[in-house]
Amino acid sequence: AQSVTQPDIHITVSEGASLELRCNYSYGATPYLFWYVQSPGQGLQLLLKYFSGDTLVQGIKGFEAEFKRSQSSFNLRKPSVHWSDAAEYFCAVGKRETSYDKVIFGPGTSLSVIP
Amino acid sequence: NAGVTQTPKFQVLKTGQSMTLQCAQDMNHEYMSWYRQDPGMGLRLIHYSVGAGITDQGEVPNGYNVSRSTTEDFPLRLLSAAPSQTSVYFCASTRGGGEQFFGPGTRLTVL
Repeated sequence: AQSVTQPDIHITVSEGASLELRCNYSYGATPYLFWYVQSPGQGLQLLLKYFSGDTLVQGIKGFEAEFKRSQSSFNLRKPSVHWSDAAEYFCAVGKRETSYDKVIFGPGTSLSVIP
Repeated sequence: NAGVTQTPKFQVLKTGQSMTLQCAQDMNHEYMSWYRQDPGMGLRLIHYSVGAGITDQGEVPNGYNVSRSTTEDFPLRLLSAAPSQTSVYFCASTRGGGEQFFGPGTRLTVL
């Protein structure tokens, strides 16, 4: 069955430090992969996505993610975190059903940033 | 271009009451979805629609109904509210390839 795990429930980093959020998925083929960000009291916003091709994907707000097929991972990275990056981050896996792209979300990782 | 809109933003219900959460999108997307978000569980799919007149159940459909009479609107109905339905509800509109656009959410409390 399709599933997504985000091993870190909560991460705290200092402003200016680097960041890596982990995501592992379970799926029989190469899925679509997404990272979304949710600021407090807001809906989710797409940071980046991977469908095929280059395994290093660039997104908005200076984020990037790398698809590693051998590890079934799609970790999110940012070289220097800003205080405004404090939010909840969700990894998601999608696959094509007969008429719909079914998307499964991970449980989320909450990021706190120390000034 | 408003994207995906949801009303109301907040709602308090008593057990047994019914209500409808409204969702509308102006992007002409065929696919729309309803999710609920609970702490530590991510987003779970309630119902979805692949076009006007076509709906189907997601992961947690019990206690909820949907209909899709137009491309723009996808309301979610709670038939008889229960405390277990206290949650934040998100509507999403999907472009081809799974990328989803989310509304701002409705925070529902059932007493």
